[in-house]
Amino acid sequence: AQSVTQLGSHVSVSEGALVLLRCNYSSSVPPYLFWYVQYPNQGLQLLLKYTSAATLVKGINGFEAEFKKSETSFHLTKPSAHMSDAAEYFCAVRENTNAGKSTFGDGTTLTVKP
Amino acid sequence: DTGVTQSPTHLIKTRGQQVTLRCSPISGHKSVSWYQQVLGQGPQFIFQYYEKEERGRGNFPDRFSARQFPNYSSELNVNALLLGDSALYLCASISNRGNTGELFFGEGSRLTVL
Repeated sequence: AQSVTQLGSHVSVSEGALVLLRCNYSSSVPPYLFWYVQYPNQGLQLLLKYTSAATLVKGINGFEAEFKKSETSFHLTKPSAHMSDAAEYFCAVRENTNAGKSTFGDGTTLTVKP
Repeated sequence: DTGVTQSPTHLIKTRGQQVTLRCSPISGHKSVSWYQQVLGQGPQFIFQYYEKEERGRGNFPDRFSARQFPNYSSELNVNALLLGDSALYLCASISNRGNTGELFFGEGSRLTVL
């Protein structure tokens, strides 16, 4: 069974600082990996996805993530945090045999301090 | 383009009652998935439907059921509600292009069971 672990349920950074949100996954086959963002009282929105092409994936709003197979990690980064980045972030792994089923981590709440 | 629409947005039920939640996918998308998001956790997969057929089912009791209609809209039904069913129920529409499994989420239906 696939699983996702997000280290750190809460991360706080200052505006302009580096954002690093950690995600480790378990999968018996090469995975499809995703990062989603959820703003209060809204659904989830895709930030970026890894689909076995380039290991460094660029997404929206300046976010990027690097797939490291040896570490089974897919950490999310942004060089300079903005106040509007405050939200909850979810890492997910997709089941290869079922496009509609993704397994999500428990999320990391990002707070950006002025 | 209209995104994924869900209704109702909020509802309150009492234990033992039944609830029906509705979802319309993005135009042209033939597959929908349902997820349950309990406060403080990531979304949990409930069902996937494609072309009116169930393609996947998560670890939920038989009180949960769903169906998909010819226009690809979908309903999720939950019978004999329990307090623990209180959650945000998310519908996701899945693109027919490629096979990456990117999920396009609606804003959800927030169910409170008293």
